Amino acid sequence: GENVEQHPSTLSVQEGDSAVIKCTYSDSASNYFPWYKQELGKRPQLIIDIRSNVGEKKDQRIAVTLNKTAKHFSLHITETQPEDSAVYFCAASRGGSGYSTLTFGKGTMLLVSP
Amino acid sequence: NAGVTQTPKFRVLKTGQSMTLLCAQDMNHEYMYWYRQDPGMGLRLIHYSVGEGTTAKGEVPDGYNVSRLKKQNFLLGLESAAPSQTSVYFCASSPGRGASSYNEQFFGPGTRLTVL
Repeated sequence: GENVEQHPSTLSVQEGDSAVIKCTYSDSASNYFPWYKQELGKRPQLIIDIRSNVGEKKDQRIAVTLNKTAKHFSLHITETQPEDSAVYFCAASRGGSGYSTLTFGKGTMLLVSP
Repeated sequence: NAGVTQTPKFRVLKTGQSMTLLCAQDMNHEYMYWYRQDPGMGLRLIHYSVGEGTTAKGEVPDGYNVSRLKKQNFLLGLESAAPSQTSVYFCASSPGRGASSYNEQFFGPGTRLTVL
């Protein structure tokens, strides 16, 4: 089955800095890679996703890059703000034809200090 | 729309007791999932369903059973609770095959379960 590794497990940055979280996956057939944000005591919520026919996707201050050859993808947050503090999870899935479940990484706790 | 809801929000059980967690969604989604979340372990899939009347095992199914008798509801049962089942349980749903956003999963607010 799929295995998703996520690094780092914790990340502390100053407000205004950039933050990068990296994930690797094992199943070369995976083609859907979402990122979820979970604030303390809240439910995970999708913030951005990318499919394997795209190398990069941006949405305001967040971006995701995908390298299918190396089987890794990354989340980039620019101009971090205190409200970006949360746990971030990456995930991978085959999607596409047939059905496949999401396999999640173990999460990265991001702390943005004012 | 309420989205995905879960009941109860909190529960404390004694070892050996049984209980059922209820998940409901009002988005007409085909697929539903149960996860458990433990510190440092991320979200691990317990069971899932790709349609009414169908269920399948996920990564950590032992000690749990599920049922999907109605499309909008997905029940998770613990027949004989153990301390190792102390966790936060999340339900999620996704539109299903054929929808443009079929992969996106929408999560419920979670149920915090403690087994003593």
